Amino acid sequence: DGGITQSPKYLFRKEGQNVTLSCEQNLNHDAMYWYRQDPGQGLRLIYYSQIVNDFQKGDIAEGYSVSREKKESFPLTVTSAQKNPTAFYLCASSIVGQQNTEAFFGQGTRLTVV
Amino acid sequence: AQSVTQLDSQVPVFEEAPVELRCNYSSSVSVYLFWYVQYPNQGLQLLLKYLSGSTLVKGINGFEAEFNKSQTSFHLRKPSVHISDTAEYFCAVRYKAAGNKLTFGGGTRVLVKP
Repeated sequence: DGGITQSPKYLFRKEGQNVTLSCEQNLNHDAMYWYRQDPGQGLRLIYYSQIVNDFQKGDIAEGYSVSREKKESFPLTVTSAQKNPTAFYLCASSIVGQQNTEAFFGQGTRLTVV
Repeated sequence: AQSVTQLDSQVPVFEEAPVELRCNYSSSVSVYLFWYVQYPNQGLQLLLKYLSGSTLVKGINGFEAEFNKSQTSFHLRKPSVHISDTAEYFCAVRYKAAGNKLTFGGGTRVLVKP
C-alpha cells in the first residue's frame, strides 16, 4: 500500500542533543513537508521541498534542518538551537503542479525533551 | 498575510445531535479548501475538499461543507454525530498564488457525549 511512514512514533531527547526524525513516502510525490503541531496552534510549516536537492524554509524553520537527497525521503533534524522542541511532528507529501490535490500525512512523531 | 481562522477551539455535542464547525480564511482570491480530521496521536485524514463547481461538498463519514465566497467561509457540518466523531478537525487553505503550501487553522476539538 502507498503511504507515508514516519519513525519513530515516540522520541525522547536530552537537552543539547540533535535528533533526526525520519519520513519516507512511496506515493511518488515530488513535494514533501514538515509541520509542527502544538495544542491549540494548529499546524505550522517548518520546511518544505518540491524537488530533490532543494528545500525552502517555512514559517518556523529556526532550530531545524532538512535534507532531500532522494525523492522518497525527507528527514528532519531538530537541533540543540531549537529552544522548545517538545511537540508532535507531522510529515506530508503532495503532487507538484496540481494545486487541487490534497496533502497526505504520516502518523506523526511525538518528540519529548527530558 | 494569508490566514485561516477556526472560530471554536472546542465544541461539545451530544450524540445524534448536529454539529457545525466554522472556518474563515483571509482572502477572497482563488483558493482550494480542505477539511481534515485527526484522531489522538495520529496523522491527518482528508474529510473533504472544495476545488470548484458546486459550493456544497460532501465528504466521508457523513460530513459536508459549504463554500461561501462572499463571506470567505468554509463551514463543516454533520447532521447527526456519533461517539466515533470525537476528534480534532482542521480547516486548510491552499492559495493558488502560493504554490503547494497549505495554511491550517488552529483546529476545533469535537467531543461527542453520550
